[in-house]
Amino acid sequence: SQKIEQNSEALNIQEGKTATLTCNYTNYSPAYLQWYRQDPGRGPVFLLLIRENEKEKRKERLKVTFDTTLKQSLFHITASQPADSATYLCALPNQGGKLIFGQGTELSVKP
Amino acid sequence: NAGVTQTPKFRILKIGQSMTLQCTQDMNHNYMYWYRQDPGMGLKLIYYSVGAGITDKGEVPNGYNVSRSTTEDFPLRLELAAPSQTSVYFCASSSRTDTQPQHFGDGTRLSIL
Repeated sequence: SQKIEQNSEALNIQEGKTATLTCNYTNYSPAYLQWYRQDPGRGPVFLLLIRENEKEKRKERLKVTFDTTLKQSLFHITASQPADSATYLCALPNQGGKLIFGQGTELSVKP
Repeated sequence: NAGVTQTPKFRILKIGQSMTLQCTQDMNHNYMYWYRQDPGMGLKLIYYSVGAGITDKGEVPNGYNVSRSTTEDFPLRLELAAPSQTSVYFCASSSRTDTQPQHFGDGTRLSIL
C-alpha cells in the first residue's frame, strides 16, 4: 500500500531563511499531491495542490515541487516568519482515490 | 461563512459509554469525511460519504458508525467506547473527491478513561 514519509523531527530555522520540508512516498506515483498547514488545536488548512505533470507550483512565499522520478515533493517557504510556525502535512490519493496524509513536519521559525 | 463545524470540542467518556460526534458543513459539499489523528501519526480515514444516504468504510472503521441523512450533516457514532479510541477526531468536506481541497473542522478531542 502507498506510504508517505515526512521528516518526523521538527525543523528549526531563523526568521528570513528558507524552510524546506520533504515528503517522500513509496509505490505508485499519484496524479497529484496536496500540502496542508495545521496549527495547534486546529484542523488542517489547504495550501497548495501540484499535479504530476507540474514540476513546480508557487503561491506567494510558498513553492512546491513534485519529482515523480524521486517520488518526492519539496515544500519551500521563502523569507520565513514566526507566523509560519506550524505543522505541515502532505497528502496524496491512494489507489482507491482517497487522500492519505503524512504525519507532518513541525516547523518553528525563530525571530 | 462557518465552513465545517464540529461539536463538542472536548469530551471525556468512560469505557463502555457511547456518544455521537456532530459535524455540519454549510458549503453544500457532497463529500464528507471523518478522520482520527493520534500523536505523531497522520490522519487516518474512518468513514466517508459521497452524498446523502451513501457512506463507506475508510481505513479504520471498527468501533464507529456513521449516517448521512442530509447534505449538511455527517455524525460519527462511537458505541462501547474503548481507551484505543482516545484521539482527536476531524471532520472534513470537499466538493469532489479528487483534486479539490478538503475543508476541515477544528476537531473533537476525546478521551476514554
